[in-house]
Parts: sequence; structure tokens; C-alpha cells
Amino acid sequence: NAGVTQTPKFRVLKTGQSMTLLCAQDMNHEYMYWYRQDPGMGLRLIHYSVGEGTTAKGEVPDGYNVSRLKKQNFLLGLESAAPSQTSVYFCASSITSASEQFFGPGTRLTVL
Amino acid sequence: DQQVKQNSPSLSVQEGRISILNCDYTNSMFDYFLWYKKYPAEGPTFLISISSIKDKNEDGRFTVFLNKSAKHLSLHIVPSQPGDSAVYFCAGLRNAGNMLTFGGGTRLMVKP
Repeated sequence: NAGVTQTPKFRVLKTGQSMTLLCAQDMNHEYMYWYRQDPGMGLRLIHYSVGEGTTAKGEVPDGYNVSRLKKQNFLLGLESAAPSQTSVYFCASSITSASEQFFGPGTRLTVL
Repeated sequence: DQQVKQNSPSLSVQEGRISILNCDYTNSMFDYFLWYKKYPAEGPTFLISISSIKDKNEDGRFTVFLNKSAKHLSLHIVPSQPGDSAVYFCAGLRNAGNMLTFGGGTRLMVKP
């Protein structure tokens, strides 16, 4: 069991470039989440999904899009990266909204 | 407006002593609280949780206390070990909600 995996681990973008972060889980979880972690701010929810084909906005969704075409994958897209999106991004999954969330190792993104 | 606050950014404790990490919340709709632990360059891992119908939950060296009237919870680690050195996040979940709201985290350092 790999749990939750994220690719890539690191990425440097220039302002205006686009990219997609991939999250995969092999636990057959219905719920998947994308967070960003900034110093002193804890983890803030960007978007989440309660099942294949569904997505919903979290606390800080602006500038990001997501897709959940397959149950095991949750993609986070940045269409036009901005320096304010420099952060560490974590994906997580859970069986239900009230159950423990399992986190991936994170992606460190720098936007110049 | 931060709904979950961890007012101590860091805490230093001697090995074998008790560590007490505090968390305050403002949203009275939270009915479930979780603590996560995070090592550098890794994703957070679930530690312990408590339902709002309880005032205490214990798991080995870890105990979480909830004071609903004060909107305050605390995590006690007894005895503290060097391996407990990490960042600890508390999080609240609203009744029938899908989103965890995290505090900013407290860095615990346990000195040998």
C-alpha cells in the first residue's frame, strides 16, 4: 500500500506558467482534498471532492482548478501561476468527512 | 478570521516531562476535533481526536481535553520523548461539514 502519493515533489514556475499537481491514493477513499500550507497559517483547504466526478470549493479556491475523473486520482491545476501561490501543497484522502485524513508527502512549489 | 487558533508558535520541553499544547476555537458549530503531527518534509499524520460530546480522550501517552464552554482544547503528552519533536496542528470539523479547519500549528521541541 503506497497510501497517498503526490507528483512532483518540487517545482519552480515563472509567473504566468501553468502546471498540474497529481495526487493518487490506493485506499479506495471517497473523499480527497487539496491543501496549501504557509508559515503560521496552518493548512488551508483549496478544493475537495466527495467522490468520483464531483468537486467543491474550499476556503481558498481562487486561482486553482481541480478534477476527479477517477476515484483514485485528484488533480490540482494552476492555469496562470502567481508568486502568491508559492507554498507547500498537500493532498489528503479519507473514507468519510469525519474520519481520519491521510496525507501525501507534499509538493513544494515556488513561483518566481 | 481564524476560527482555530494555536497561540503558541513553539514549545520546548525536557524529555520525560509533560508537554501541553493548546488550541482555541471560535466556531461553536464544530463538533469534532482532531490533532495532527507533522515532521519536516512529510505530510501530517493523524494523532488523536475527540467528539464534542466528550471532555477527554486518551490514547497511550496522548490525551486530549475539551472544554466546550471555554472553546478550548489541549493535547497532553506524558512522558515527552525526543521523537515527539514535530509541529502539531489542531483542527475542527463542523457538524455535517466536509471541511477541516486547521490552526496555525505549534512546534514542539523535546530536549534529551
